[in-house]
Amino acid sequence: GAVVSQHPSRVICKSGTSVKIECRSLDFQATTMFWYRQFPKQSLMLMATSNEGSKATYEQGVEKDKFLINHASLTLSTLTVTSAHPEDSSFYICSAADRTQDPYEQYFGPGTRLTVT
Amino acid sequence: EDQVTQSPEALRLQEGESSSLNCSYTVSGLRGLFWYRQDPGKGPEFLFTLYSAGEEKEKERLKATLTKKESFLHITAPKPEDSATYLCAVQALSGGSNYKLTFGKGTLLTVNP
Repeated sequence: GAVVSQHPSRVICKSGTSVKIECRSLDFQATTMFWYRQFPKQSLMLMATSNEGSKATYEQGVEKDKFLINHASLTLSTLTVTSAHPEDSSFYICSAADRTQDPYEQYFGPGTRLTVT
Repeated sequence: EDQVTQSPEALRLQEGESSSLNCSYTVSGLRGLFWYRQDPGKGPEFLFTLYSAGEEKEKERLKATLTKKESFLHITAPKPEDSATYLCAVQALSGGSNYKLTFGKGTLLTVNP
């Protein structure tokens, strides 16, 4: 149980284009989803938290107009990187939690490697 | 600000050579401390959650312990398949209803056959 998927697993895009990454909870209802980014040999840095049906809460320093997050259903959240630039190249990981079952644990997706050329 | 420091950054062991990884934390009231395993190019895989000082949890060759300032992940008789980056994260009481995690940089464990 508690499986989270991400799509795509890898994406290469040109500078200036937008990229959408999907995060799905496959066998539970994700009341809360989190988006992280991870640079090589660095830890996971939380970008934003989203509760189903509500606007996302962004961490300090994260541009909400650049990283658009939608959590329209209990099984799907999307992260759209708008007008991507090479510095946005990173490993993006989502996690999901079901507050009604266990408020503390997060289950992570396999990650999406974004490369902006 | 919540902080998590993991040591060592990297650890090489021979198969069967037991050791421990350290996670020191500073948090304004700990709700929970989490250990994850991360393989290259993959998302973190949940291992343990510890909630209070003195708590211990075990899973196969791994045992996690918690004090008021740090946590240890003990690896007994490791095998090559235990090679991975081990991440520690804390969840603060002051984090409100978002339950966000603050991660350390991880310890890269390599177990040689």
